[in-house]
Amino acid sequence: ILNVEQSPQSLHVQEGDSTNFTCSFPSSNFYALHWYRWETAKSPEALFVMTLNGDEKKKGRISATLNTKEGYSYLYIKGSQPEDSATYLCAPYSGAGSYQLTFGKGTKLSVIP
Amino acid sequence: NAGVTQTPKFRILKIGQSMTLQCTQDMNHNYMYWYRQDPGMGLKLIYYSVGAGITDKGEVPNGYNVSRSTTEDFPLRLELAAPSQTSVYFCASSTTSVSYEQYFGPGTRLTVT
Repeated sequence: ILNVEQSPQSLHVQEGDSTNFTCSFPSSNFYALHWYRWETAKSPEALFVMTLNGDEKKKGRISATLNTKEGYSYLYIKGSQPEDSATYLCAPYSGAGSYQLTFGKGTKLSVIP
Repeated sequence: NAGVTQTPKFRILKIGQSMTLQCTQDMNHNYMYWYRQDPGMGLKLIYYSVGAGITDKGEVPNGYNVSRSTTEDFPLRLELAAPSQTSVYFCASSTTSVSYEQYFGPGTRLTVT
């Protein structure tokens, strides 16, 4: 089981603000990193799966970067909208014969109209 | 294409009762997973399966059992329900590897009293 930390735990931003949060994970035995978006009363939905150091992925106003050497990933949201309000989970996968993702506790984003 | 479906949506059990949570996916995914979500604790893996006939324990398997007789179905069995099993349970599936995104079902909210 990997040690995964997400920060901040929660944040509130005004509509239109851009924001970012961090996922930290062990840099050894890295294989892939997943990001999920989880709206209240719904189920998690995949945003990105990233595997290569320096990877950048983008989906609309949401983007993510990956640094496997130092063990962190950033998720950016440009021009936050109320519909971006959700908990964002990251989950590294170490490979090495394991079949488990280890989910972080998430960053809860609230976008104030 | 319904994706991942779970039944029931809600259930209240008395201590010591048994029940089976059903999970079905129609995407022909080999990998399936059961998670529980406790407040402030994120998602914890209970059991997983990499194909029909193959199952293995995750991080928190005690008090649960699974079977995988077909590619589509992955039921989770609680034999002697305990208050500590009060949680929201999510089933998920992915194609051929943990490196691929997971698709989550809508969840089952279970209360044991």
